[in-house]
Amino acid sequence: GDSVTQMEGPVTLSEEAFLTINCTYTATGYPSLFWYVQYPGEGLQLLLKATKADDKGSNKGFEATYRKETTSFHLEKGSVQVSDSAVYFCALHYYNAGNMLTFGGGTRLMVKP
Amino acid sequence: DTAVSQTPKYLVTQMGNDKSIKCEQNLGHDTMYWYKQDSKKFLKIMFSYNNKELIINETVPNRFSPKSPDKAHLNLHINSLELGDSAVYFCASSRFRDTQYFGPGTRLTVL
Repeated sequence: GDSVTQMEGPVTLSEEAFLTINCTYTATGYPSLFWYVQYPGEGLQLLLKATKADDKGSNKGFEATYRKETTSFHLEKGSVQVSDSAVYFCALHYYNAGNMLTFGGGTRLMVKP
Repeated sequence: DTAVSQTPKYLVTQMGNDKSIKCEQNLGHDTMYWYKQDSKKFLKIMFSYNNKELIINETVPNRFSPKSPDKAHLNLHINSLELGDSAVYFCASSRFRDTQYFGPGTRLTVL
């Protein structure tokens, strides 16, 4: 079956450091890929998405490129802020009747001033 | 003007009780979902409804029963609560086969 694997956290960085959170997937078809973010005490917010190979999703300084050859969708940001501290979830999704998201285990990011 | 709302935000109850969690969306979506997030933050789909009809029912105990009175609401009723039901439950909604938007979550604690 389909699955998503993320790097285990927590990831601890200083403010203005470069961020990479790895995400790889196993899929039987051609899914869309998503990053969701969960700030402390809140629900999940869609951060960015990519619907086909080589697409780049970007939002709020974050970006991720859909790499079919390496089955990856790594999240990057050039300069993190304390306010980026959250749990980040990678997910895959098929736009079919089921429309269900399959999530990775989440990666906690802690940014220190 | 919250897009996807859930009530209550926190729910503390005793083992064996029956409880409900309500979800409402004002986005005009026709598909709604329930996800469970365990203590390790792992998220898994439980149910999906499209136009008030069940389209996904993952391996979930029969004690969990979703109810969709209309397209804007999907409630989750849980009978005979067990310790292992303690988790955060998220409601989500989408247009059919489109991107999902999540509610703020309901933290259920079973004592």
